[in-house]
Amino acid sequence: KNQVEQSPQSLIILEGKNCTLQCNYTVSPFSNLRWYKQDTGRGPVSLTIMTFSENTKSNGRYTATLDADTKQSSLHITASQLSDSASYICVVSSRGAGNKLVFGAGTILRVKS
Amino acid sequence: DGGITQSPKYLFRKEGQNVTLSCEQNLNHDAMYWYRQDPGQGLRLIYYSQIVNDFQKGDIAEGYSVSREKKESFPLTVTSAQKNPTAFYLCASNLLAGGFDEQFFGPGTRLTVL
Repeated sequence: KNQVEQSPQSLIILEGKNCTLQCNYTVSPFSNLRWYKQDTGRGPVSLTIMTFSENTKSNGRYTATLDADTKQSSLHITASQLSDSASYICVVSSRGAGNKLVFGAGTILRVKS
Repeated sequence: DGGITQSPKYLFRKEGQNVTLSCEQNLNHDAMYWYRQDPGQGLRLIYYSQIVNDFQKGDIAEGYSVSREKKESFPLTVTSAQKNPTAFYLCASNLLAGGFDEQFFGPGTRLTVL
């Protein structure tokens, strides 16, 4: 069964600290992996997209890694800011009919001052 | 501004009523999608359309209906047959039907059944 599991479910950190969010997937055949940021009550916004051949991609203070062998990805946030408080969703695309996306449940990050 | 718009932002429905959620995009995207988001769960696909006048059921289509009469518009009707419709509904689109490019999401509609 195609699944995407994220951990931790929620996380509280102090402003300025770093954190790492995890994503494990069993989606096959794999096409690409995406990380989205979703503010409360808003639609998700894309942070990164990585294909099979990419093992790291950065977007400002956000750095995503991908290990296609172990089917794991991480999102590292550097020097966190209050505006980073959001849900971070890992999404894996399957190379099948209709470009099916499998969504993780998300990690809720709260940055405190 | 280019993007995806959804309306209304909040919607309240009495049991037994049908309601229609609007989704419009001016990105010239071929493919459009409707998702449902519940607390603690990943987004689940309701319906998708890869071309005008054609659409396919997603994983949880029961109790929902859609139409795609124009490329820019993909409205979702939540019917009285949907037993638990209270949720956050997200519309999305991407450029290429069946493609693996980025999906862009609208701001969402929160539906509450009274």
